[in-house]
Amino acid sequence: EAAVTQSPRNKVTVTGGNVTLSCRQTNSHNYMYWYRQDTGHGLRLIHYSYGAGNLQIGDVPDGYKATRTTQEDFFLLLELASPSQTSLYFCASSDADYNNQAPLFGEGTRLSVL
Amino acid sequence: GDSVTQTEGPVTVSESESLIINCTYSATSIAYPNLFWYVRYPGEGLQLLLKVITAGQKGSSRGFEATYNKETTSFHLQKASVQESDSAVYYCALGDHSGGSNYKLTFGKGTLLTVTP
Repeated sequence: EAAVTQSPRNKVTVTGGNVTLSCRQTNSHNYMYWYRQDTGHGLRLIHYSYGAGNLQIGDVPDGYKATRTTQEDFFLLLELASPSQTSLYFCASSDADYNNQAPLFGEGTRLSVL
Repeated sequence: GDSVTQTEGPVTVSESESLIINCTYSATSIAYPNLFWYVRYPGEGLQLLLKVITAGQKGSSRGFEATYNKETTSFHLQKASVQESDSAVYYCALGDHSGGSNYKLTFGKGTLLTVTP
């Protein structure tokens, strides 16, 4: 069954802390995405990738790095976390044909930066 | 860039009443984007409610319907009779499928729906 798995599900860190959010998909999809979801803003795209080693900048990339190590794994890195990065983060994967299957989302990672 | 505007919430509807959540889009990079409605139930992740790939077509799922209207650039979500279990946040999204680095979804801000008994 197609799946996108995020870890951890919840994370608390302090200002200036170093955080890595992980995402793994088992769908053989080329595309993977990181979004943040905030009330009043909806989902906003941070970074995305269309293959191992590829990285594309999204709409709100400041303060975030990302790395796609394999077809399956996509990581979001916050090297100096700030309270403004407190949010719910969603990872998604997609193939290059939305007619075949719409992007699939993970269950989200809730991050609190104190 | 692309943008999606949807009904600002929160929206409160009584059970068995009808519902419409408006969604309009602006696509600058592609003439006919793919359109989606996603839903997030309390405590759960984001899941696809329905999608329409072709302009002029209608999508439906779980009693919800939405028609892709390219003239008015709209994709309104409707349901004739809502249930308490429909309480959730609904997101309208535009999919750019023009290839390469352009495959991505642009979301609206979400509409919180509460259905009261």
